Amino acid sequence: DAGVIQSPRHEVTEMGQEVTLRCKPISGHNSLFWYRQTMMRGLELLIYFNNNVPIDDSGMPEDRFSAKMPNASFSTLKIQPSEPRDSAVYFCASSPAFKNTEAFFGQGTRLTVV
Amino acid sequence: GENVEQHPSTLSVQEGDSAVIKCTYSDSASNYFPWYKQELGKRPQLIIDIRSNVGEKKDQRIAVTLNKTAKHFSLHITETQPEDSAVYFCAASFGNKLVFGAGTILRVKS
Repeated sequence: DAGVIQSPRHEVTEMGQEVTLRCKPISGHNSLFWYRQTMMRGLELLIYFNNNVPIDDSGMPEDRFSAKMPNASFSTLKIQPSEPRDSAVYFCASSPAFKNTEAFFGQGTRLTVV
Repeated sequence: GENVEQHPSTLSVQEGDSAVIKCTYSDSASNYFPWYKQELGKRPQLIIDIRSNVGEKKDQRIAVTLNKTAKHFSLHITETQPEDSAVYFCAASFGNKLVFGAGTILRVKS
């Protein structure tokens, strides 16, 4: 298994543009998590899904952020419109069970909004 | 609230010495405590985890201890090597999600 796959690896965009980050979880994993990592805030959980259903989106910072999981093998995190303070590394992670098991992280997407 | 405190924020040790990183958590109902290692520019990867029915767990040079009464847990690395240099994150389960500590930058000097 190739692990959790994220794309793109790097994204540079101008303020105000829409950004879409993509994630393919490990096959068979039924939980998916989106994290944001910055120096100031560390690793923040933005949203997580179980069996494609969003369970908790309390970590989503603003309405500009949205996430979807249309099927078990694909999820997107969208920022519209993007702002410079959204610059961060965004990680997707998946796990084989709903709780109390290891979360496997993707390589991350480094987003820079200028 | 859901909070995990991690100390120290940076730690520098001499090769061969031991390193200890400590975390506290806020919810007595938390029952899963993983530790992740993140090398520069890479993803966090699990190195060891412990569940609340166990007080200590060891894997070669790495050990984790858990004190549920005090709500704290620690990572111990013995005989440190330069390749142990990385950022280490603790985490605790809050219901169905993991909340991470702020991270510890470990530097092993050779």
